[in-house]
Amino acid sequence: NAGVTQTPKFRVLKTGQSMTLLCAQDMNHEYMYWYRQDPGMGLRLIHYSVGEGTTAKGEVPDGYNVSRLKKQNFLLGLESAAPSQTSVYFCASRTSGNTIYFGEGSWLTVV
Amino acid sequence: GENVEQHPSTLSVQEGDSAVIKCTYSDSASNYFPWYKQELGKGPQLIIDIRSNVGEKKDQRIAVTLNKTAKHFSLHITETQPEDSAVYFCAANENQGAQKLVFGQGTRLTINP
Repeated sequence: NAGVTQTPKFRVLKTGQSMTLLCAQDMNHEYMYWYRQDPGMGLRLIHYSVGEGTTAKGEVPDGYNVSRLKKQNFLLGLESAAPSQTSVYFCASRTSGNTIYFGEGSWLTVV
Repeated sequence: GENVEQHPSTLSVQEGDSAVIKCTYSDSASNYFPWYKQELGKGPQLIIDIRSNVGEKKDQRIAVTLNKTAKHFSLHITETQPEDSAVYFCAANENQGAQKLVFGQGTRLTINP
């Protein structure tokens, strides 16, 4: 039972480069989320999706794009990485109830 | 929107003692309050949650209390053990649409042997 899986786990980017973080869940959840975690700031919502083909902005969406082409996958893209995007990124999904399940995180450094 | 404040940011207790972490929220419409534990290098894991129709919930050494009138909720860990050392996050839901969770800033709990 894999739950929520994120790839890659670690990545170093140069300023201006692009990349995509992949989140996959095998629990048939409708709702999926991307959060970023920075010291002293808790978890902040970047984008989320309420179902296949839908996306919406969260609290800190600037500089990121997302896609939900398949129900089980939620992709987070950085078109032109900036040092301010150095962070730990967490994907999450939830059932029709409230319980949210998190992935193990993706550590991104932009130099 | 919802705003969640969490205190303290760091907490150090002796093994066997109790630990209490407190959170306040701003939106009276919120009705779901989970607590997550995050170990080093891992994702947050749900340890206990409470809904607004309940004032207290216990699960072995962990309990959560909710005061809807004052808009605050607390995590209580009794008989602390070294494996309780971690970062703990509280959260409250935005009770509309996608039911997004808004997180507190986190508390780093250290259990001293």
